[in-house]
Amino acid sequence: RKEVEQDPGPFNVPEGATVAFNCTYSNSASQSFFWYRQDCRKEPKLLMSVYSSGNEDGRFTAQLNRASQYISLLIRDSKLSDSATYLCVVILNTGGFKTIFGAGTRLFVKA
Amino acid sequence: NAGVTQTPKFRVLKTGQSMTLLCAQDMNHEYMYWYRQDPGMGLRLIHYSVGEGTTAKGEVPDGYNVSRLKKQNFLLGLESAAPSQTSVYFCASNDRGIDEQYFGPGTRLTVT
Repeated sequence: RKEVEQDPGPFNVPEGATVAFNCTYSNSASQSFFWYRQDCRKEPKLLMSVYSSGNEDGRFTAQLNRASQYISLLIRDSKLSDSATYLCVVILNTGGFKTIFGAGTRLFVKA
Repeated sequence: NAGVTQTPKFRVLKTGQSMTLLCAQDMNHEYMYWYRQDPGMGLRLIHYSVGEGTTAKGEVPDGYNVSRLKKQNFLLGLESAAPSQTSVYFCASNDRGIDEQYFGPGTRLTVT
């Protein structure tokens, strides 16, 4: 079982749609959680951190469920510019820090 | 601030050749990382460093060596390139291991 698993997609949605991505992690020592965005042939960039209380940034909402060991990303009112790959990232604290990237979920938003 | 920069951006090597990829960051970060990204496999950690003069192995270290002689630079070396090392290589840095990582633009390497 992979330490961090994401649905690879692709998700094809029309503009204005709401889309949700889930990510599961296997290690209970996971301490920090992030969503990154990666555009085609570009480097990953932080989209948002994920907190136990949940957090929102404009059209984006991230949630963490420690009991079930998953995190989610909700995108409302999708824009063409949201088309990208979304990476789930988990940091373990096992004496030292270990960062694990999910393989990513591809999103295509169409007009 | 330039953030994290990588050189070169592209490179084609023949099997058995060697090369060094350079990563530089101007954010005074302690931690630096080298990843490779292959289709469908996500980012895999090759080596990392928790400070000047230190290096450690990641998930896929075989065939690579690294050095961190200066805090701002992290070098990745391929002593004898193999076709299996064809990939996109990303460098990243952060100030504490638990924080957001800042990535460079990547180096696209093809080994023929």
